[in-house]
Amino acid sequence: SQTIHQWPATLVQPVGSPLSLECTVEGTSNPNLYWYRQAAGRGLQLLFYSVGIGQISSEVPQNLSASRPQDRQFILSSKKLLLSDSGFYLCAWGRRNTEAFFGQGTRLTVV
Amino acid sequence: AQKITQTQPGMFVQEKEAVTLDCTYDTSDPSYGLFWYKQPSSGEMIFLIYQGSYDQQNATEGRYSLNFQKARKSANLVISASQLGDSAMYFCAMREGSSGDKLTFGTGTRLAVRP
Repeated sequence: SQTIHQWPATLVQPVGSPLSLECTVEGTSNPNLYWYRQAAGRGLQLLFYSVGIGQISSEVPQNLSASRPQDRQFILSSKKLLLSDSGFYLCAWGRRNTEAFFGQGTRLTVV
Repeated sequence: AQKITQTQPGMFVQEKEAVTLDCTYDTSDPSYGLFWYKQPSSGEMIFLIYQGSYDQQNATEGRYSLNFQKARKSANLVISASQLGDSAMYFCAMREGSSGDKLTFGTGTRLAVRP
């Protein structure tokens, strides 16, 4: 069966520090991969999605970047965090015409 | 323009009663899929139900059913016999066939089930 791993679960980082959140999928190949951010009590904002290795689509210009170095690995990064980067980050995988499966999320607090 | 609109920020329902959560969508793509997810306070996203644009019948999954009205571009979620554990945020989402598998979410509805 397919599983998705996302870590860490919580993270507190100072302003200006770098960020790296990792997401890996098991049990499937060539998945679509997604990064979402959710502000407190709000909806999910699509940040990046990828349909293959090295193929990244950015939805919102911001202080973040994404990379897909391997088929089942999706990384969210920042060189210098801002206070506004705080939020709940969710990784997901899916295929066309099927639902998306989510990781457990990372709660990031920038202080 | 908003692709997915959920106009009810919060809803209450009495335990054991049915509740409808509204969702309207905007697309000119003939091929699309509509999804509903539940997010409890733990933050995990739980898939509930899926409706394809070409599906002739409304989707059902246990106590969940999707009232799909294509001409009105609405995809309301109906939860029958509400339970206390149904209290959560509910999100409607859409994937358009022409958008490269992008999955877009609405702003959500917070449902509270009263005992």
